[in-house]
Amino acid sequence: SQELEQSPQSLIVQEGKNLTINCTSSKTLYGLYWYKQKYGEGLIFLMMLQKGGEEKSHEKITAKLDEKKQQSSLHITASQPSHAGIYLCGCTSGTYKYIFGTGTRLKVLA
Amino acid sequence: DAGVIQSPRHEVTEMGQEVTLRCKPISGHDYLFWYRQTMMRGLELLIYFNNNVPIDDSGMPEDRFSAKMPNASFSTLKIQPSEPRDSAVYFCASSRTREEAFFGQGTRLTVV
Repeated sequence: SQELEQSPQSLIVQEGKNLTINCTSSKTLYGLYWYKQKYGEGLIFLMMLQKGGEEKSHEKITAKLDEKKQQSSLHITASQPSHAGIYLCGCTSGTYKYIFGTGTRLKVLA
Repeated sequence: DAGVIQSPRHEVTEMGQEVTLRCKPISGHDYLFWYRQTMMRGLELLIYFNNNVPIDDSGMPEDRFSAKMPNASFSTLKIQPSEPRDSAVYFCASSRTREEAFFGQGTRLTVV
């Protein structure tokens, strides 16, 4: 079965710094989703990538799906305390089974 | 639309009791997912439905867990009997085919 692994597991950065979170799949990705979760709350959809090489941006967050479609990266520019939370990558496989990665906990120090 | 609605938001129960979690998906969505989130195991897919039919329940941990979707606007996840290791946040999500999933706010279950 398909699995998603994220790195790093946790990240603490100073406000204003850039950071990158990676998501690696055990199989080819046909749809890759990035979500953010604030502690104690539900997941909020950020963006979806489908084509190899595709790159999307939302405010200061940029995500890219590599050409081989087995890895995605999420990059935050000039991080702010509001970026803090858990970032999860998700994908659908087979019969639209929607699974998620292990998550990356981000803390931004003011 | 009000989004995916879960109830209750918090549930505290004694070991051995039956627990029922409820979910109302977004109207028009044909997929419904139940997840469990813990610190140790992250976000695990328990079961999902397509057009009210269970497609894959391989993530359901034990026979103590069961889920139903009697119609397109309602689903339940039942644990009977509950155990302390079932304590977690349970999420329901819904989506249209090939689109992003929308999540409810979750039910925080504590079994004492």
